[in-house]
Amino acid sequence: GQQVMQIPQYQHVQEGEDFTTYCNSSTTLSNIQWYKQRPGGHPVFLIQLVKSGEVKKQKRLTFQFGEAKKNSSLHITATQTTDVGTYFCAPSDYKLSFGAGTTVTVRA
Amino acid sequence: DGGITQSPKYLFRKEGQNVTLSCEQNLNHDAMYWYRQDPGQGLRLIYYSQIVNDFQKGDIAEGYSVSREKKESFPLTVTSAQKNPTAFYLCASSTVGGNSNQPQHFGDGTRLSIL
Repeated sequence: GQQVMQIPQYQHVQEGEDFTTYCNSSTTLSNIQWYKQRPGGHPVFLIQLVKSGEVKKQKRLTFQFGEAKKNSSLHITATQTTDVGTYFCAPSDYKLSFGAGTTVTVRA
Repeated sequence: DGGITQSPKYLFRKEGQNVTLSCEQNLNHDAMYWYRQDPGQGLRLIYYSQIVNDFQKGDIAEGYSVSREKKESFPLTVTSAQKNPTAFYLCASSTVGGNSNQPQHFGDGTRLSIL
């Protein structure tokens, strides 16, 4: 499967602040999916990006696919305690390959 | 409600023993997957199946076996050949179609430990 690197691996955020997590590939991706896994839970699908330069928003979450389709990002504004968890990007060809994830903790 | 059911939630294995993890879905999905998750790591694909009676090895298939006799069921056997089986095992399913993978729906997982 296609390999991606997610940075940072850990993100500790003050409640109310913004942060961004990045997903980088050395090869061009056909599309990419993002998942969120709460502590002790299972991954839940958030979004799929397909087009070059695509930007999609879900409330406080903004997902972007790079122009070259080699990277993607997730930006969260005004972080809340409900945002705690691990966010995975997953480029998909014939099967999904998950990145190592960015684990987010929030201090109130 | 439609969904994926994994059982048991917790499982303990003795040395040299094979154990089977159950995964059942009623979403009418053609594709099913097994992943292993270790602390601090992402999900690694063990096996996947896109149609009944057919399955493919993923990235870490050694020491594992699967079957897909029914569309709804995709059990995973952790054999004694898997020397480090302690992990969180996740089953997922999805539809099949288009040029890309469809979103995957995950079960609640099984935590396997060695006695």
